[in-house]
Amino acid sequence: TQLLEQSPQFLSIQEGENLTVYCNSSSVFSSLQWYRQEPGEGPVLLVTVVTGGEVKKLKRLTFQFGDARKDSSLHITAAQPGDTGLYLCAGASRNKLVFGAGTILRVKS
Amino acid sequence: NAGVTQTPKFQVLKTGQSMTLQCAQDMNHEYMSWYRQDPGMGLRLIHYSVGAGITDQGEVPNGYNVSRSTTEDFPLRLLSAAPSQTSVYFCASSRVGLWGGGEQFFGPGTRLTVL
Repeated sequence: TQLLEQSPQFLSIQEGENLTVYCNSSSVFSSLQWYRQEPGEGPVLLVTVVTGGEVKKLKRLTFQFGDARKDSSLHITAAQPGDTGLYLCAGASRNKLVFGAGTILRVKS
Repeated sequence: NAGVTQTPKFQVLKTGQSMTLQCAQDMNHEYMSWYRQDPGMGLRLIHYSVGAGITDQGEVPNGYNVSRSTTEDFPLRLLSAAPSQTSVYFCASSRVGLWGGGEQFFGPGTRLTVL
């Protein structure tokens, strides 16, 4: 069974602070995706990384895929209250997505 | 486009009852899947389909059945509901296979409680 360990589980920070969320596995994935989920809604895709070592930026969010395609990180610069939500990483293997348990981010103004 | 729609939004069942959760997409996506989300456990794959007439099991398939007679619809059937099936259920669809990094579009979810 493939597992994705996501850390931290919960993060409460002040507006303007930086943060990093980690997603680690012992398995290799063909791609890794990051989703954000609001309460009462389904997850929405933020980014997909495919190549080992790949770095993608989405405004204040920076995503990195590990060289061995087993781990990934999400870094948010100068967090805003609008960044509050549940962040999920998901690794793709064949036709299946394996999700991490998620990181609940709360940004206080 | 309505995207991915799910009905009902909320449902309460008694142990042993059966029901079908409906999922439909109007994006002509070949890949569809069902997940359940429980607190602290992320989303877990129940069943998925790579096209009409083709289904396969995911991580937690026991107690659930699926069929895919059309590209648009992918219903999830609970055969005999148990309290352990209390969860939020999400349906998702994707244009391309996940191995290619295909984006999954999720429905709004069905919150199921089994008493």
